[in-house]
Amino acid sequence: NAGVTQTPKFQVLKTGQSMTLQCAQDMNHNSMYWYRQDPGMGLRLIYYSASEGTTDKGEVPNGYNVSRLNKREFSLRLESAAPSQTSVYFCASKYTSGKNTGELFFGEGSRLTVL
Amino acid sequence: AQTVTQSQPEMSVQEAETVTLSCTYDTSESDYYLFWYKQPPSRQMILVIRQEAYKQQNATENRFSVNFQKAAKSFSLKISDSQLGDAAMYFCAYRSSNFGNEKLTFGTGTRLTIIP
Repeated sequence: NAGVTQTPKFQVLKTGQSMTLQCAQDMNHNSMYWYRQDPGMGLRLIYYSASEGTTDKGEVPNGYNVSRLNKREFSLRLESAAPSQTSVYFCASKYTSGKNTGELFFGEGSRLTVL
Repeated sequence: AQTVTQSQPEMSVQEAETVTLSCTYDTSESDYYLFWYKQPPSRQMILVIRQEAYKQQNATENRFSVNFQKAAKSFSLKISDSQLGDAAMYFCAYRSSNFGNEKLTFGTGTRLTIIP
């Protein structure tokens, strides 16, 4: 059972370079999320997609774009990477019902370093 | 806006003993969900336990239980019979029950060390 799969696991970029983090889930979940984790700050929501065809900003969206390619895939793009975007990125997904009770499943994380 | 506070950056416990991790939160909502997540060195976030605010009974999952004090906005995690595999970062998290409010707000985490 793959669950939530993120690629790449590690990436080093130079300032100004662009890259895309890929995320795919095989649990037929309708909602998908991108978080970043920084030391001493817990996880913060960057963007989310409540359902296929929709995306919304989270707590820290600046410098990022997302694409909900289909129900399975949700990508995060850094158009011009900055050192402040050095972080560990987590993709997550869940099934959202009217009562919003679904458990959040996380990928293994992607460590990004911007020099 | 909701906030989640974990005031213990690090905790340690002897193997087989009991440890309690603290979490407080701030919200104006009456219905919401609270979670404890475990993050081992492998980095993957794993759900440990979940509590619905409208339920007065404290949630339990095997050796893990919570002490949910709604009026005090406190949500602590008790780990009984601690095992070496419990060593990890533990995050408390809050989520509104309102449909469409997708934000999961995390605390800053507590690093738990198990002493053999």
